[in-house]
Amino acid sequence: EADIYQTPRYLVIGTGKKITLECSQTMGHDKMYWYQQDPGMELHLIHYSYGVNSTEKGDLSSESTVSRIRTEHFPLTLESARPSHTSQYLCASSSGQGDQPQHFGDGTRLSIL
Amino acid sequence: EDQVTQSPEALRLQEGESSSLNCSYTVSGLRGLFWYRQDPGKGPEFLFTLYSAGEEKEKERLKATLTKKESFLHITAPKPEDSATYLCAVCKAGSYQLTFGKGTKLSVIP
Repeated sequence: EADIYQTPRYLVIGTGKKITLECSQTMGHDKMYWYQQDPGMELHLIHYSYGVNSTEKGDLSSESTVSRIRTEHFPLTLESARPSHTSQYLCASSSGQGDQPQHFGDGTRLSIL
Repeated sequence: EDQVTQSPEALRLQEGESSSLNCSYTVSGLRGLFWYRQDPGKGPEFLFTLYSAGEEKEKERLKATLTKKESFLHITAPKPEDSATYLCAVCKAGSYQLTFGKGTKLSVIP
């Protein structure tokens, strides 16, 4: 069983608030990822990191930002939440080459009022 | 552009009624094809990785196969606990990023 944790699991918050979604993994994986998933739709990559102090934007444009100061921690921040940010956010991690599977947390369901 | 198409979108089976889910893909050099299971309110759970055409992997009632254009997830004698959304994803050569399909929602009726 993968050891990757996301908090909070659910968040309902008003427009304009600053939000940080937490993601931590205890597997020592060097690569970490953030995906956005809407109901019935595919997962879209919004950010990834291949190691400490390395972050890149994914294929789906996002107003969020990420940081990777420690190997095990990959938080995602929204400076000013808007209703369009309402979605499920999934964090994942992997090791080695691209042929190794990504392991996912259980996600944060975010609702912006 | 990498593409993954899964069919059908939804599938209802009676308990014990075997069937297959399809994942068609277009990728410039396949590094790996991944199958995941996702339960409501949970993150995807890794099932299999397939690397080359002709490869097969099995786990309990599930068997995944791979050709140069598609992958099948065969479900033999399914049980209600197999109900979930099954996701397919590909990783292309030289990359670590996955491209996902929209998934097949499987419901197994007792």
